[in-house]
Formats: sequence, C-alpha cells, structure tokens
Amino acid sequence: DQQVKQNSPSLSVQEGRISILNCDYTNSMFDYFLWYKKYPAEGPTFLISISSIKDKNEDGRFTVFLNKSAKHLSLHIVPSQPGDSAVYFCAASAQTGFQKLVFGTGTRLLVSP
Amino acid sequence: KAGVTQTPRYLIKTRGQQVTLSCSPISGHRSVSWYQQTPGQGLQFLFEYFSETQRNKGNFPGRFSGRQFSNSRSEMNVSTLELGDSALYLCASSWGGAGTGELFFGEGSRLTVL
Repeated sequence: DQQVKQNSPSLSVQEGRISILNCDYTNSMFDYFLWYKKYPAEGPTFLISISSIKDKNEDGRFTVFLNKSAKHLSLHIVPSQPGDSAVYFCAASAQTGFQKLVFGTGTRLLVSP
Repeated sequence: KAGVTQTPRYLIKTRGQQVTLSCSPISGHRSVSWYQQTPGQGLQFLFEYFSETQRNKGNFPGRFSGRQFSNSRSEMNVSTLELGDSALYLCASSWGGAGTGELFFGEGSRLTVL
C-alpha cells in the first residue's frame, strides 16, 4: 500500500518556466512533509519541508504547498534551470523528529535549455 | 565537514549468501537510518538506530538486520540473499533529536544478487 504517491514518473519543462511536481498521501497521521532531490550516483539531498500547521513554505526558487483536506502537496520551482534536472522524491513523516520517512516513487524532472 | 560514507559502493553476491554494509554518519550525528531503493518502489524504510538502539523498524523480513556502534557507525546485514534484494541501499544520518526530520544521505551501496 503506497501511502505517498507521485503519479507522474517524469516531467519535462523549458528553462525559465515553472516546474510543478505533485504528491498525494493517504495517511492522515502524517504531520511533516519533505522534498528530496537526487542526482544519478548520488544520495538524495534535502530540498525543502513543510509542517502540517502551514500551507506554504518558500525557499528561494522553491515553494512547497500543502492542502491537508485534499491530502496533496506540490513543489513549485520558479524559474526552472537545467541544473534542476534530477529525480524529486516527496516524503512524509508521522513522527516529527524521528527518522522514519515514507517516500514516494519519485518524479524525474528534465529542464531543457 | 565529511558527509555520510557508505562502503562498499558496489558488490555482487549470489543467492543464499549474506552481506554486510557499513555506514559512517556525519560527525556528531547520533541517528542512522537505512533505506532500500528499487525501481518503481522509491525508498523504503528499513530501520533506524539512535545511540546504539533500534528506534524504528520498517516492514522487512528478519533477514534484514542492523546494529549501531558506540561511535554511531552502523552496519546492516542481509542473510540468505534473494534475487529481489538487489537494490541500492542508502544510509542516512541526522542528529536524531526533535527537529525537521532532515536526513543526510550517503551515496549508497548497490547490491546485485545473482
């Protein structure tokens, strides 16, 4: 049972445009959500997170939106750059401060010049 | 500062064998988690150790085990290997207390079971 779902395996965007990556979850106990980015042959790196008490968090070009009623979150990258091309994983936790994250299957983003 | 170090980076085993993977966390980090990444499954949580104690455990069979040493280094062991155990095994560390849940991942150990 996939508790965190990323239904789009891939996304292609032109440089300078907005990239929107989506994530849905089923477990209403999740109270913390994170996005990780992964380049080939490297481990995932933390990008941005959001607590369930918020509905938006911004960090530079990256913004995460959380819609608790719809159990949906999205990552917006504006403007997209070729260096953003990577696999993006959505993750959720039901125990803030503990390390048991539930990951989605990832979305491969390709930003073309 | 040095990142999370995993060894070996690549290894090939045959069915029925056992394997031990090692992880050295970032200095000062007391929590080490292990994840299995397979195509189409994303990252799946194996277990987490904090101060030499297993604090969380995922839904993997008992063939998967781990331990943590007093210096926070961790090992995971898979016994009686099966073809389906072929995967990238990722180790992640954090300081382990209440906080953001941000994990720092190593580059992984890619295991191939023939």
